[in-house]
Amino acid sequence: AQSVAQPEDQVNVAEGNPLTVKCTYSVSGNPYLFWYVQYPNRGLQFLLKYITGDNLVKGSYGFEAEFNKSQTSFHLKKPSALVSDSALYFCAVRTDGNNRLAFGKGNQVVVIP
Amino acid sequence: DTEVTQTPKHLVMGMTNKKSLKCEQHMGHRAMYWYKQKAKKPPELMFVYSYEKLSINESVPSRFSPECPNSSLLNLHLHALQPEDSALYLCASSQDPLQAHRINTGELFFGEGSRLTVL
Repeated sequence: AQSVAQPEDQVNVAEGNPLTVKCTYSVSGNPYLFWYVQYPNRGLQFLLKYITGDNLVKGSYGFEAEFNKSQTSFHLKKPSALVSDSALYFCAVRTDGNNRLAFGKGNQVVVIP
Repeated sequence: DTEVTQTPKHLVMGMTNKKSLKCEQHMGHRAMYWYKQKAKKPPELMFVYSYEKLSINESVPSRFSPECPNSSLLNLHLHALQPEDSALYLCASSQDPLQAHRINTGELFFGEGSRLTVL
Protein backbone atom coordinates (compact mmCIF):
# COMPACT_ATOMS: atom_id res chain seq x y z
CA ALA A 1 0.00 0.00 0.00
CA GLN A 2 1.11 3.58 -0.56
CA SER A 3 -0.03 6.70 1.26
CA VAL A 4 0.85 10.32 1.83
CA ALA A 5 0.30 12.51 4.87
CA GLN A 6 0.11 16.28 4.74
CA PRO A 7 -0.35 17.10 8.42
CA GLU A 8 -1.44 20.72 8.16
CA ASP A 9 -4.74 21.91 6.69
CA GLN A 10 -3.58 25.45 6.02
CA VAL A 11 -0.23 27.20 5.94
CA ASN A 12 -0.18 30.94 6.46
CA VAL A 13 2.97 32.87 5.63
CA ALA A 14 3.84 36.52 5.16
CA GLU A 15 4.95 37.61 1.72
CA GLY A 16 8.74 37.44 1.45
CA ASN A 17 9.09 34.85 4.20
CA PRO A 18 10.17 31.24 3.60
CA LEU A 19 7.38 28.81 2.77
CA THR A 20 7.40 25.14 3.79
CA VAL A 21 4.66 22.61 3.07
CA LYS A 22 5.17 19.26 4.79
CA CYS A 23 4.72 15.79 3.31
CA THR A 24 5.52 12.33 4.62
CA TYR A 25 4.93 9.11 2.74
CA SER A 26 4.60 5.38 3.21
CA VAL A 27 5.32 2.87 0.44
CA SER A 28 6.61 -0.64 -0.14
CA GLY A 29 9.57 -0.23 -2.42
CA ASN A 30 11.19 2.83 -3.94
CA PRO A 31 9.01 5.94 -3.84
CA TYR A 32 8.45 8.32 -6.75
CA LEU A 33 7.31 11.58 -5.21
CA PHE A 34 5.52 14.55 -6.73
CA TRP A 35 4.20 17.97 -5.82
CA TYR A 36 1.28 19.56 -7.62
CA VAL A 37 -0.33 22.98 -7.21
CA GLN A 38 -3.96 23.85 -7.91
CA TYR A 39 -5.26 27.37 -8.34
CA PRO A 40 -8.99 28.05 -7.93
CA ASN A 41 -11.14 26.50 -10.67
CA ARG A 42 -8.09 25.10 -12.43
CA GLY A 43 -6.54 21.67 -12.94
CA LEU A 44 -3.47 20.41 -11.12
CA GLN A 45 -0.12 21.74 -12.28
CA PHE A 46 3.03 19.67 -11.87
CA LEU A 47 5.71 21.43 -9.78
CA LEU A 48 8.49 18.90 -9.28
CA LYS A 49 9.33 15.25 -8.74
CA TYR A 50 11.83 12.96 -7.10
CA ILE A 51 12.57 9.75 -8.99
CA THR A 52 16.21 9.04 -8.19
CA GLY A 53 19.52 10.86 -7.76
CA ASP A 54 20.09 14.13 -5.91
CA ASN A 55 17.88 14.46 -2.83
CA LEU A 56 17.31 18.18 -3.46
CA VAL A 57 14.97 18.69 -6.37
CA LYS A 58 14.31 22.05 -7.99
CA GLY A 59 11.07 22.74 -9.77
CA SER A 60 8.86 25.40 -11.29
CA TYR A 61 8.24 28.92 -9.91
CA GLY A 62 11.25 28.80 -7.53
CA PHE A 63 10.01 25.79 -5.56
CA GLU A 64 12.26 23.00 -4.36
CA ALA A 65 11.83 19.88 -2.27
CA GLU A 66 14.15 17.63 -0.31
CA PHE A 67 13.79 13.87 -0.30
CA ASN A 68 14.70 12.41 3.10
CA LYS A 69 14.60 8.63 3.05
CA SER A 70 15.26 8.12 6.77
CA GLN A 71 12.39 10.45 7.71
CA THR A 72 10.22 9.36 4.75
CA SER A 73 9.60 13.01 3.98
CA PHE A 74 9.44 15.20 0.90
CA HIS A 75 8.79 18.74 2.13
CA LEU A 76 8.15 21.52 -0.39
CA LYS A 77 10.01 24.79 0.12
CA LYS A 78 10.31 28.24 -1.34
CA PRO A 79 12.81 30.77 0.05
CA SER A 80 10.59 33.82 -0.44
CA ALA A 81 6.82 33.44 -0.79
CA LEU A 82 4.73 35.55 -3.18
CA VAL A 83 1.05 36.41 -2.86
CA SER A 84 0.55 34.56 -6.15
CA ASP A 85 1.74 31.34 -4.45
CA SER A 86 -1.58 31.22 -2.57
CA ALA A 87 -3.12 27.96 -3.77
CA LEU A 88 -3.84 24.33 -2.85
CA TYR A 89 -0.77 22.08 -2.80
CA PHE A 90 -0.85 18.29 -3.14
CA CYS A 91 1.92 15.82 -2.42
CA ALA A 92 1.67 12.46 -4.20
CA VAL A 93 3.54 9.16 -4.36
CA ARG A 94 3.63 6.14 -6.64
CA THR A 95 5.96 3.18 -7.08
CA ASP A 96 7.52 1.52 -10.10
CA GLY A 97 5.04 -0.43 -12.17
CA ASN A 98 2.10 1.12 -10.34
CA ASN A 99 -0.03 3.67 -12.14
CA ARG A 100 -2.06 4.55 -9.08
CA LEU A 101 -0.93 7.89 -7.69
CA ALA A 102 -1.70 8.34 -3.99
CA PHE A 103 -2.46 11.97 -3.10
CA GLY A 104 -2.25 13.66 0.25
CA LYS A 105 -5.26 15.60 1.50
CA GLY A 106 -3.80 18.88 0.30
CA ASN A 107 -2.60 22.02 2.00
CA GLN A 108 -4.12 25.44 1.46
CA VAL A 109 -1.31 27.99 1.37
CA VAL A 110 -2.23 31.59 2.12
CA VAL A 111 0.44 34.21 1.52
CA ILE A 112 -0.37 37.42 3.37
CA PRO A 113 0.69 40.69 1.74
CA ASP B 1 -0.75 26.19 -20.68
CA THR B 2 -1.74 22.57 -20.25
CA GLU B 3 -1.18 20.11 -23.07
CA VAL B 4 -4.18 18.08 -21.99
CA THR B 5 -7.38 19.62 -23.33
CA GLN B 6 -10.76 18.95 -21.77
CA THR B 7 -14.18 19.90 -23.10
CA PRO B 8 -16.58 21.23 -22.09
CA LYS B 9 -15.26 23.44 -19.28
CA HIS B 10 -18.69 23.60 -17.69
CA LEU B 11 -21.65 21.24 -17.99
CA VAL B 12 -25.07 21.39 -16.37
CA MET B 13 -27.29 18.35 -16.82
CA GLY B 14 -30.45 16.87 -15.45
CA MET B 15 -30.59 13.43 -13.91
CA THR B 16 -32.14 11.92 -17.05
CA ASN B 17 -29.70 13.45 -19.53
CA LYS B 18 -26.92 11.73 -21.44
CA LYS B 19 -23.76 13.75 -21.95
CA SER B 20 -20.06 13.16 -22.53
CA LEU B 21 -16.81 14.70 -21.33
CA LYS B 22 -13.90 14.70 -23.72
CA CYS B 23 -10.15 14.76 -23.23
CA GLU B 24 -7.31 14.98 -25.74
CA GLN B 25 -3.52 14.87 -25.43
CA HIS B 26 -0.82 15.04 -28.08
CA MET B 27 2.24 14.24 -25.97
CA GLY B 28 2.45 10.62 -27.09
CA HIS B 29 1.49 9.41 -23.63
CA ARG B 30 0.25 5.85 -23.35
CA ALA B 31 -1.70 6.13 -20.09
CA MET B 32 -4.80 8.27 -19.57
CA TYR B 33 -6.80 8.82 -16.41
CA TRP B 34 -10.14 10.13 -15.17
CA TYR B 35 -10.30 11.68 -11.72
CA LYS B 36 -13.19 13.16 -9.77
CA GLN B 37 -12.49 16.06 -7.42
CA LYS B 38 -14.73 17.67 -4.84
CA ALA B 39 -13.95 21.15 -3.57
CA LYS B 40 -10.77 21.44 -1.48
CA LYS B 41 -10.26 17.65 -1.62
CA PRO B 42 -7.64 15.54 -3.41
CA PRO B 43 -8.55 14.01 -6.77
CA GLU B 44 -10.10 10.53 -6.59
CA LEU B 45 -9.05 8.06 -9.24
CA MET B 46 -11.91 6.68 -11.35
CA PHE B 47 -10.41 4.95 -14.39
CA VAL B 48 -7.02 4.29 -15.98
CA TYR B 49 -6.40 3.34 -19.59
CA SER B 50 -3.02 1.91 -20.43
CA TYR B 51 -2.19 1.39 -24.10
CA GLU B 52 -5.88 2.05 -24.89
CA LYS B 53 -7.09 -0.76 -22.65
CA LEU B 54 -8.97 -0.22 -19.41
CA SER B 55 -6.53 -1.25 -16.68
CA ILE B 56 -8.14 0.20 -13.57
CA ASN B 57 -11.79 0.78 -12.65
CA GLU B 58 -12.05 1.97 -9.06
CA SER B 59 -15.50 0.47 -8.56
CA VAL B 60 -17.11 3.41 -10.29
CA PRO B 61 -20.92 3.22 -10.74
CA SER B 62 -22.02 2.17 -14.21
CA ARG B 63 -23.66 5.54 -14.82
CA PHE B 64 -20.08 6.60 -15.67
CA SER B 65 -18.79 4.86 -18.80
CA PRO B 66 -15.25 5.52 -20.06
CA GLU B 67 -14.07 5.12 -23.61
CA CYS B 68 -10.63 5.39 -25.20
CA PRO B 69 -11.09 5.60 -29.01
CA ASN B 70 -7.35 5.97 -29.63
CA SER B 71 -4.14 6.80 -27.78
CA SER B 72 -4.86 10.55 -27.85
CA LEU B 73 -8.50 10.62 -26.86
CA LEU B 74 -10.42 9.74 -23.72
CA ASN B 75 -14.14 10.14 -23.19
CA LEU B 76 -16.37 9.83 -20.16
CA HIS B 77 -20.00 9.11 -20.96
CA LEU B 78 -22.54 10.22 -18.36
CA HIS B 79 -26.05 8.89 -17.95
CA ALA B 80 -28.63 9.08 -15.16
CA LEU B 81 -26.31 10.93 -12.82
CA GLN B 82 -27.16 11.98 -9.30
CA PRO B 83 -26.71 15.43 -7.72
CA GLU B 84 -23.86 14.04 -5.60
CA ASP B 85 -21.95 13.40 -8.84
CA SER B 86 -21.51 17.15 -9.21
CA ALA B 87 -17.76 17.77 -9.13
CA LEU B 88 -14.71 18.78 -11.13
CA TYR B 89 -13.74 15.94 -13.48
CA LEU B 90 -10.06 15.90 -14.33
CA CYS B 91 -8.38 14.08 -17.17
CA ALA B 92 -4.67 13.31 -17.00
CA SER B 93 -2.05 11.52 -19.04
CA SER B 94 1.41 10.08 -18.42
CA GLN B 95 4.10 8.15 -20.21
CA ASP B 96 4.30 4.40 -19.87
CA PRO B 97 3.29 3.86 -16.23
CA LEU B 98 5.07 0.55 -16.08
CA GLN B 99 8.38 2.37 -16.43
CA ALA B 100 7.87 5.01 -13.77
CA HIS B 101 11.48 4.64 -12.66
CA ARG B 102 12.70 6.36 -15.78
CA ILE B 103 13.78 9.95 -15.23
CA ASN B 104 11.49 11.35 -17.87
CA THR B 105 8.39 9.48 -16.86
CA GLY B 106 6.12 9.25 -13.91
CA GLU B 107 4.37 12.55 -13.54
CA LEU B 108 0.80 13.05 -14.60
CA PHE B 109 -0.18 15.99 -16.75
CA PHE B 110 -3.66 17.24 -15.93
CA GLY B 111 -6.21 19.11 -17.98
CA GLU B 112 -8.08 22.11 -16.61
CA GLY B 113 -11.09 19.98 -15.81
CA SER B 114 -14.78 19.89 -16.63
CA ARG B 115 -17.02 21.36 -13.93
CA LEU B 116 -20.15 19.20 -13.81
CA THR B 117 -23.37 20.22 -12.10
CA VAL B 118 -26.20 17.69 -11.89
CA LEU B 119 -29.61 19.17 -11.14
